[in-house]
Amino acid sequence: KAGVTQTPRYLIKTRGQQVTLSCSPISGHRSVSWYQQTPGQGLQFLFEYFSETQRNKGNFPGRFSGRQFSNSRSEMNVSTLELGDSALYLCASSLVGSIPTYEQYFGPGTRLTVT
Amino acid sequence: KNQVEQSPQSLIILEGKNCTLQCNYTVSPFSNLRWYKQDTGRGPVSLTIMTFSENTKSNGRYTATLDADTKQSSLHITASQLSDSASYICVVSAQDDKIIFGKGTRLHILP
Repeated sequence: KAGVTQTPRYLIKTRGQQVTLSCSPISGHRSVSWYQQTPGQGLQFLFEYFSETQRNKGNFPGRFSGRQFSNSRSEMNVSTLELGDSALYLCASSLVGSIPTYEQYFGPGTRLTVT
Repeated sequence: KNQVEQSPQSLIILEGKNCTLQCNYTVSPFSNLRWYKQDTGRGPVSLTIMTFSENTKSNGRYTATLDADTKQSSLHITASQLSDSASYICVVSAQDDKIIFGKGTRLHILP
């Protein structure tokens, strides 16, 4: 079974631009969660999608948004990029949800650099 | 405030030695605690998941313990190998679906 895939793996953008990241979950997984990872803050939860609906949301500004398609693939969008948005963006999928004992499988991440 | 604190921040040990990483949390109401291993440039990989009623769980040379009364967890690595060099992240989930991550312990194994 193929793992979680994320595209692109690396991205360089300038301040003020917007960016869209893509995540394809493991086949059969219906939940996709997004995380931001920085050296200073560690991993931080952005949001979770399940069956095309946002089910859970972290404390990030509205510039961060996402969506999930009927095939469970998910996209994350960041508008009006700021230098502080430079980070590794990780996507994780699970069969049902990221809560309690459901196992999450992470993708390799997209390294976003904002200049 | 829900928090997860990990210690030490970084650790260097010789190959073959044992080590223990610590995780203290204030998350409430508690649902479960996970330990992840993250190799450089890769996504985290789950090592163990423990719920309130579980005190210990093993995954090969990795053994996690949980004391729900003191809100402490530890990850013990036995007979370390060079491939154990990675960041180890403690993640605590609350019953209201909040997920709180520790900042991780960076482990370096020297030959």
